[in-house]
Amino acid sequence: GQQLNQSPQSMFIQEGEDVSMNCTSSSIFNTWLWYKQEPGEGPVLLIALYKAGELTSNGRLTAQFGITRKDSFLNISASIPSDVGIYFCAGQWEPIGNQGGKLIFGQGTELSVKP
Amino acid sequence: NAGVMQNPRHLVRRRGQEARLRCSPMKGHSHVYWYRQLPEEGLKFMVYLQKENIIDESGMPKERFSAEFPKEGPSILRIQQVVRGDSAAYFCASSLGQGATNEQFFGPGTRLTVL
Repeated sequence: GQQLNQSPQSMFIQEGEDVSMNCTSSSIFNTWLWYKQEPGEGPVLLIALYKAGELTSNGRLTAQFGITRKDSFLNISASIPSDVGIYFCAGQWEPIGNQGGKLIFGQGTELSVKP
Repeated sequence: NAGVMQNPRHLVRRRGQEARLRCSPMKGHSHVYWYRQLPEEGLKFMVYLQKENIIDESGMPKERFSAEFPKEGPSILRIQQVVRGDSAAYFCASSLGQGATNEQFFGPGTRLTVL
């Protein structure tokens, strides 16, 4: 089935450092999304991207929808301890017939921040 | 303003028993998605339902798994004759509409353990 390759798998950084993670796909998506999941909880949407080339920020987070529509990256600037968690990218196609907007997730990037 | 609710949060079953997982979407949402997350992996789409209809079940295993979203009441994911490999976290998400710009809001998940 369709897979997204997300890297890196894990990161251990010092508080205050910047973080970058990315996702690539073998096929084109109409929408790229970035989620954060904390232990014992469901994913929470951080940023949604709807157009190729789009660059969107949400506080210290910035994400871009790649020009080829096959990739996306997420940057976190000046990391803080509460940034700890697992970050997932997800791709979505525009619904056609019975393909009703399901999300295809990457494998996740586990972020650890040392105070 | 309750979010997506799932119960139970934790479920333990012995091999061969049945597991029933319930999902109440956000108020006003009539689109429900179920995803499964194996340990240290991303979420994998299982099924997409609207009220009384299964729209996309391309991610559902062919046997033992079924889902419904009746006119009244929560969506149910049912796993018959559970096996150890069914142990996972099961998340449901709901949305107002279908596809891009209709954010999927996730519940906290049900963690199924099969002994």
